[in-house]
Amino acid sequence: GAGVSQSPSNKVTEKGKDVELRCDPISGHTALYWYRQSLGQGLEFLIYFQGNSAPDKSGLPSDRFSAERTGGSVSTLTIQRTQQEDSAVYLCASSWGGGALEQFFGPGTRLTVL
Amino acid sequence: AQKVTQAQTEISVVEKEDVTLDCVYETRDTTYYLFWYKQPPSGELVFLIRRNSFDEQNEISGRYSWNFQKSTSSFNFTITASQVVDSAVYFCALSEARYGGATNKLIFGTGTLLAVQP
Repeated sequence: GAGVSQSPSNKVTEKGKDVELRCDPISGHTALYWYRQSLGQGLEFLIYFQGNSAPDKSGLPSDRFSAERTGGSVSTLTIQRTQQEDSAVYLCASSWGGGALEQFFGPGTRLTVL
Repeated sequence: AQKVTQAQTEISVVEKEDVTLDCVYETRDTTYYLFWYKQPPSGELVFLIRRNSFDEQNEISGRYSWNFQKSTSSFNFTITASQVVDSAVYFCALSEARYGGATNKLIFGTGTLLAVQP
Protein backbone atom coordinates (compact mmCIF):
# COMPACT_ATOMS: atom_id res chain seq x y z
CA GLY A 1 0.00 0.00 0.00
CA ALA A 2 0.92 3.64 -0.15
CA GLY A 3 3.39 4.97 2.37
CA VAL A 4 3.50 8.31 4.12
CA SER A 5 3.59 11.14 1.62
CA GLN A 6 4.70 14.72 2.13
CA SER A 7 4.49 17.82 0.04
CA PRO A 8 6.21 19.80 -1.21
CA SER A 9 9.45 17.85 -1.39
CA ASN A 10 11.41 21.09 -1.46
CA LYS A 11 10.47 24.58 -0.37
CA VAL A 12 12.58 27.69 -0.68
CA THR A 13 11.24 30.79 1.01
CA GLU A 14 12.37 34.19 2.09
CA LYS A 15 12.92 35.10 5.69
CA GLY A 16 9.73 36.38 7.27
CA LYS A 17 7.32 34.51 5.00
CA ASP A 18 4.90 31.83 6.22
CA VAL A 19 5.09 28.25 4.96
CA GLU A 20 2.80 25.22 5.12
CA LEU A 21 4.03 21.65 4.94
CA ARG A 22 1.65 18.79 4.33
CA CYS A 23 1.66 15.17 5.47
CA ASP A 24 -0.59 12.33 4.33
CA PRO A 25 -0.18 9.40 6.72
CA ILE A 26 -0.70 5.75 5.88
CA SER A 27 -4.40 4.99 5.70
CA GLY A 28 -5.69 3.66 9.01
CA HIS A 29 -2.81 4.98 11.08
CA THR A 30 -4.16 6.93 14.03
CA ALA A 31 -0.88 8.32 15.34
CA LEU A 32 1.03 11.03 13.48
CA TYR A 33 4.35 12.64 14.36
CA TRP A 34 6.37 15.54 13.02
CA TYR A 35 10.14 15.59 13.41
CA ARG A 36 12.82 17.97 12.20
CA GLN A 37 16.25 16.95 10.95
CA SER A 38 18.98 19.55 10.84
CA LEU A 39 22.76 19.44 10.86
CA GLY A 40 23.08 21.15 14.19
CA GLN A 41 20.25 19.46 16.11
CA GLY A 42 19.97 16.03 14.54
CA LEU A 43 16.52 14.43 14.54
CA GLU A 44 14.16 16.09 17.00
CA PHE A 45 10.51 15.57 17.84
CA LEU A 46 8.11 18.43 17.18
CA ILE A 47 4.48 17.38 17.69
CA TYR A 48 2.30 14.29 18.07
CA PHE A 49 -1.35 13.60 17.19
CA GLN A 50 -3.23 10.51 18.35
CA GLY A 51 -6.84 10.02 17.41
CA ASN A 52 -9.08 12.67 18.94
CA SER A 53 -6.77 13.42 21.86
CA ALA A 54 -5.21 16.84 22.34
CA PRO A 55 -1.89 16.96 20.48
CA ASP A 56 1.41 16.90 22.31
CA LYS A 57 3.09 20.13 21.22
CA SER A 58 5.99 19.89 23.65
CA GLY A 59 8.62 19.71 20.92
CA LEU A 60 7.63 22.83 19.00
CA PRO A 61 10.60 25.22 19.21
CA SER A 62 8.61 28.44 19.28
CA ASP A 63 5.11 29.86 18.96
CA ARG A 64 5.80 30.48 15.28
CA PHE A 65 5.27 26.77 14.77
CA SER A 66 1.82 25.19 14.75
CA ALA A 67 0.20 22.08 13.33
CA GLU A 68 -3.22 20.70 12.81
CA ARG A 69 -4.67 17.40 11.75
CA THR A 70 -7.98 17.38 9.96
CA GLY A 71 -10.38 14.45 10.06
CA GLY A 72 -7.82 12.29 11.79
CA SER A 73 -5.81 12.03 8.60
CA VAL A 74 -3.93 14.79 6.77
CA SER A 75 -1.73 17.07 8.84
CA THR A 76 -0.33 20.51 8.09
CA LEU A 77 2.68 22.03 9.82
CA THR A 78 2.76 25.81 9.60
CA ILE A 79 5.76 27.98 10.28
CA GLN A 80 5.05 31.69 10.52
CA ARG A 81 7.61 34.45 9.93
CA THR A 82 10.28 31.94 8.94
CA GLN A 83 13.85 32.44 10.14
CA GLN A 84 17.06 31.06 8.68
CA GLU A 85 17.43 28.67 11.61
CA ASP A 86 14.17 27.01 10.50
CA SER A 87 16.02 25.58 7.50
CA ALA A 88 15.88 21.80 7.89
CA VAL A 89 14.22 18.66 6.62
CA TYR A 90 10.78 18.23 8.16
CA LEU A 91 9.77 14.60 8.50
CA CYS A 92 6.34 13.17 9.11
CA ALA A 93 5.74 9.69 10.50
CA SER A 94 2.67 7.64 11.28
CA SER A 95 1.92 4.48 13.22
CA TRP A 96 -1.03 2.20 13.87
CA GLY A 97 -1.78 3.70 17.23
CA GLY A 98 -0.42 4.91 20.49
CA GLY A 99 2.22 2.93 22.27
CA ALA A 100 5.76 2.52 21.11
CA LEU A 101 4.93 1.03 17.74
CA GLU A 102 7.19 1.33 14.75
CA GLN A 103 6.80 4.63 13.00
CA PHE A 104 6.77 4.82 9.23
CA PHE A 105 8.40 7.93 7.83
CA GLY A 106 7.68 10.00 4.77
CA PRO A 107 10.37 11.34 2.42
CA GLY A 108 10.44 14.72 4.14
CA THR A 109 10.18 18.33 3.04
CA ARG A 110 13.46 20.19 2.70
CA LEU A 111 12.89 23.78 3.78
CA THR A 112 15.41 26.46 2.92
CA VAL A 113 14.94 29.94 4.32
CA LEU A 114 16.97 32.58 2.52
CA ALA B 1 16.34 12.17 31.02
CA GLN B 2 16.41 9.91 28.01
CA LYS B 3 19.43 9.93 25.75
CA VAL B 4 20.87 7.86 22.93
CA THR B 5 24.57 7.96 22.09
CA GLN B 6 26.09 6.75 18.86
CA ALA B 7 29.75 7.45 19.35
CA GLN B 8 30.80 6.39 15.85
CA THR B 9 30.21 9.32 13.53
CA GLU B 10 31.52 7.63 10.40
CA ILE B 11 32.66 4.12 9.54
CA SER B 12 34.23 3.03 6.29
CA VAL B 13 34.59 -0.63 5.37
CA VAL B 14 35.33 -2.64 2.29
CA GLU B 15 32.62 -4.82 0.84
CA LYS B 16 32.22 -8.22 2.54
CA GLU B 17 33.64 -6.99 5.83
CA ASP B 18 31.53 -7.31 8.95
CA VAL B 19 30.73 -4.07 10.75
CA THR B 20 29.17 -3.26 14.12
CA LEU B 21 27.38 -0.02 14.87
CA ASP B 22 27.29 0.90 18.54
CA CYS B 23 24.34 2.34 20.44
CA VAL B 24 24.25 3.23 24.12
CA TYR B 25 21.12 4.57 25.76
CA GLU B 26 20.06 6.19 29.02
CA THR B 27 16.62 6.03 30.58
CA ARG B 28 15.08 5.85 34.03
CA ASP B 29 12.14 3.85 32.73
CA THR B 30 12.01 0.13 33.38
CA THR B 31 9.90 -0.41 30.28
CA TYR B 32 11.04 1.07 27.02
CA TYR B 33 11.60 0.27 23.36
CA LEU B 34 14.67 0.50 21.19
CA PHE B 35 14.74 0.94 17.44
CA TRP B 36 17.13 1.05 14.52
CA TYR B 37 16.38 3.02 11.38
CA LYS B 38 18.32 3.27 8.12
CA GLN B 39 18.51 6.48 6.12
CA PRO B 40 19.91 5.82 2.63
CA PRO B 41 21.07 8.67 0.39
CA SER B 42 17.49 9.06 -0.85
CA GLY B 43 16.68 10.42 2.60
CA GLU B 44 13.70 8.36 3.70
CA LEU B 45 14.03 6.71 7.12
CA VAL B 46 13.47 2.97 6.90
CA PHE B 47 12.45 0.97 9.96
CA LEU B 48 14.73 -2.00 10.71
CA ILE B 49 13.86 -3.34 14.15
CA ARG B 50 11.98 -2.68 17.39
CA ARG B 51 12.95 -4.36 20.65
CA ASN B 52 11.28 -4.03 24.04
CA SER B 53 13.23 -3.83 27.26
CA PHE B 54 12.04 -7.20 28.49
CA ASP B 55 13.34 -9.11 25.52
CA GLU B 56 17.10 -9.47 25.61
CA GLN B 57 17.28 -12.21 23.05
CA ASN B 58 19.55 -11.39 20.19
CA GLU B 59 17.87 -11.19 16.83
CA ILE B 60 19.09 -12.10 13.38
CA SER B 61 17.51 -11.12 10.10
CA GLY B 62 19.53 -12.19 7.10
CA ARG B 63 22.83 -10.33 7.23
CA TYR B 64 21.61 -8.12 10.08
CA SER B 65 21.85 -8.96 13.75
CA TRP B 66 21.22 -7.05 16.94
CA ASN B 67 22.76 -7.49 20.38
CA PHE B 68 20.75 -6.04 23.26
CA GLN B 69 22.47 -5.93 26.65
CA LYS B 70 20.60 -4.24 29.47
CA SER B 71 23.58 -4.56 31.81
CA THR B 72 25.56 -2.16 29.63
CA SER B 73 22.55 -0.25 28.22
CA SER B 74 23.61 -1.09 24.71
CA PHE B 75 21.78 -2.14 21.57
CA ASN B 76 24.41 -2.79 18.93
CA PHE B 77 23.78 -3.58 15.28
CA THR B 78 25.99 -5.83 13.18
CA ILE B 79 25.97 -6.18 9.41
CA THR B 80 27.66 -9.34 8.20
CA ALA B 81 29.34 -9.42 4.80
CA SER B 82 28.55 -5.78 4.10
CA GLN B 83 27.47 -4.65 0.65
CA VAL B 84 27.61 -1.31 -1.13
CA VAL B 85 23.83 -1.03 -0.80
CA ASP B 86 24.27 -0.95 2.98
CA SER B 87 25.83 2.51 2.68
CA ALA B 88 23.59 4.82 4.65
CA VAL B 89 23.20 6.68 7.90
CA TYR B 90 21.95 4.41 10.67
CA PHE B 91 20.03 5.78 13.62
CA CYS B 92 19.39 4.16 16.96
CA ALA B 93 16.34 5.44 18.84
CA LEU B 94 14.63 5.05 22.20
CA SER B 95 10.97 5.36 23.09
CA GLU B 96 9.13 5.32 26.36
CA ALA B 97 6.47 2.67 26.75
CA ARG B 98 3.72 4.91 28.00
CA TYR B 99 0.05 4.38 27.33
CA GLY B 100 -3.18 6.16 27.98
CA GLY B 101 -2.54 8.88 25.44
CA ALA B 102 1.05 9.65 26.33
CA THR B 103 3.41 10.48 23.49
CA ASN B 104 5.76 7.73 22.42
CA LYS B 105 8.14 9.97 20.57
CA LEU B 106 11.45 8.64 19.36
CA ILE B 107 14.62 9.97 20.90
CA PHE B 108 17.27 9.57 18.24
CA GLY B 109 21.01 9.24 18.43
CA THR B 110 23.11 11.38 16.13
CA GLY B 111 23.52 8.59 13.61
CA THR B 112 26.45 6.68 12.16
CA LEU B 113 27.36 7.15 8.52
CA LEU B 114 28.39 3.81 7.07
CA ALA B 115 30.30 3.83 3.79
CA VAL B 116 30.86 0.47 2.16
CA GLN B 117 33.53 0.61 -0.51
CA PRO B 118 33.46 -1.85 -3.43
